[in-house]
Amino acid sequence: GAGVSQSPSNKVTEKGKDVELRCDPISGHTALYWYRQSLGQGLEFLIYFQGNSAPDKSGLPSDRFSAERTGGSVSTLTIQRTQQEDSAVYLCASRPSRLRDEQFFGPGTRLTVL
Amino acid sequence: AQKITQTQPGMFVQEKEAVTLDCTYDTSDPSYGLFWYKQPSSGEMIFLIYQGSYDQQNATEGRYSLNFQKARKSANLVISASQLGDSAMYFCAMRAFFGNEKLTFGTGTRLTIIP
Repeated sequence: GAGVSQSPSNKVTEKGKDVELRCDPISGHTALYWYRQSLGQGLEFLIYFQGNSAPDKSGLPSDRFSAERTGGSVSTLTIQRTQQEDSAVYLCASRPSRLRDEQFFGPGTRLTVL
Repeated sequence: AQKITQTQPGMFVQEKEAVTLDCTYDTSDPSYGLFWYKQPSSGEMIFLIYQGSYDQQNATEGRYSLNFQKARKSANLVISASQLGDSAMYFCAMRAFFGNEKLTFGTGTRLTIIP
């Protein structure tokens, strides 16, 4: 079946512009995560959605970052007034349920802020 | 708080040999899960293997096995009979079973298989 998809695959923007990154999780997966991977680094947790519960935003680095998940499916990560340090690969992952542990990752969006 | 430590930034291994990638962790949570992911040059994170802290036996998935030593807080990945396609970054991660359900990742090990 279809895996997690993300769009765009690459995004180049100018400092100060807003960007939106999209994630389509695997159908039926109740949990959705956003992570950020900076050059040569491991993954940094950003935000977590579980069903209809309030999202866990504890990993968002600043108030310029926000995310929403509509209808328990598609999620959008928005970065306002982008800065050069926002340049990274943004990865989305989904998990089937609380009874299953493994997270399935999308291919990521590579964001470059000039 | 959880912490994952991977002390091998890079490894070179001859094809067909077995390789062990080290991972140690630190947590105060009584129940947790440990994961290994592979990230090839294409960038996608591929789930390899999972071990629950309550599992009595070490997890195995094909050529992958997880050497879980709870008292030492280590969760090393063993790849048997390495192949050229195993060349990639490998990340160890953990998740507590209560509270925040995020994965905490180590900094990774770059494995290169030599023909």
